[in-house]
Amino acid sequence: GENVEQHPSTLSVQEGDSAVIKCTYSDSASNYFPWYKQELGKRPQLIIDIRSNVGEKKDQRIAVTLNKTAKHFSLHITETQPEDSAVYFCAAPYTGRRALTFGSGTRLQVQP
Amino acid sequence: DGGITQSPKYLFRKEGQNVTLSCEQNLNHDAMYWYRQDPGQGLRLIYYSQIVNDFQKGDIAEGYSVSREKKESFPLTVTSAQKNPTAFYLCASSMGVADYNEQFFGPGTRLTVL
Repeated sequence: GENVEQHPSTLSVQEGDSAVIKCTYSDSASNYFPWYKQELGKRPQLIIDIRSNVGEKKDQRIAVTLNKTAKHFSLHITETQPEDSAVYFCAAPYTGRRALTFGSGTRLQVQP
Repeated sequence: DGGITQSPKYLFRKEGQNVTLSCEQNLNHDAMYWYRQDPGQGLRLIYYSQIVNDFQKGDIAEGYSVSREKKESFPLTVTSAQKNPTAFYLCASSMGVADYNEQFFGPGTRLTVL
């Protein structure tokens, strides 16, 4: 199976600061690591993902880093804005299932 | 927000009743999933289906049942055997089974047991 742990559960930052959310996973065979954003009352949406053949991927103000040796991956948001306020979920494959295991989520609050 | 829809948006059930949640997608995706979301617990997998007429149990399948008779439809039945069914239910779909791909989520159904 797969066990995904996500930290912190809540994160409050000032507008313009950076935010970092970390996830660890247990299955060394995992090779796909997505991050989803869920705004209040809305459905989760993919914001960025990374596959195990790369160590970092960027998309404007967001980036994901992967350390396969340590089995952890992180979401980095720079120059945070109030519209970044949401719950963020990481996920990793559940070996043998063709499905994802999700972390417990991080509630990010960006203070204006 | 089109592509994958769920109905109803809100559902109220009396104890002892079975209810069925609808999930439809027009994305031609092979795989479909059902998740339960409770506060502070993230998304927990109930059932998933990689192909028509086949489905697999997830982490919390007890008290739930599904069917996959058509590619575009994956209804979830919450039975009276589910001890604590009040939750937010999310359906998702993704492309074929060859590799992991983005999951697209529906808008969700909030189920309340009275």
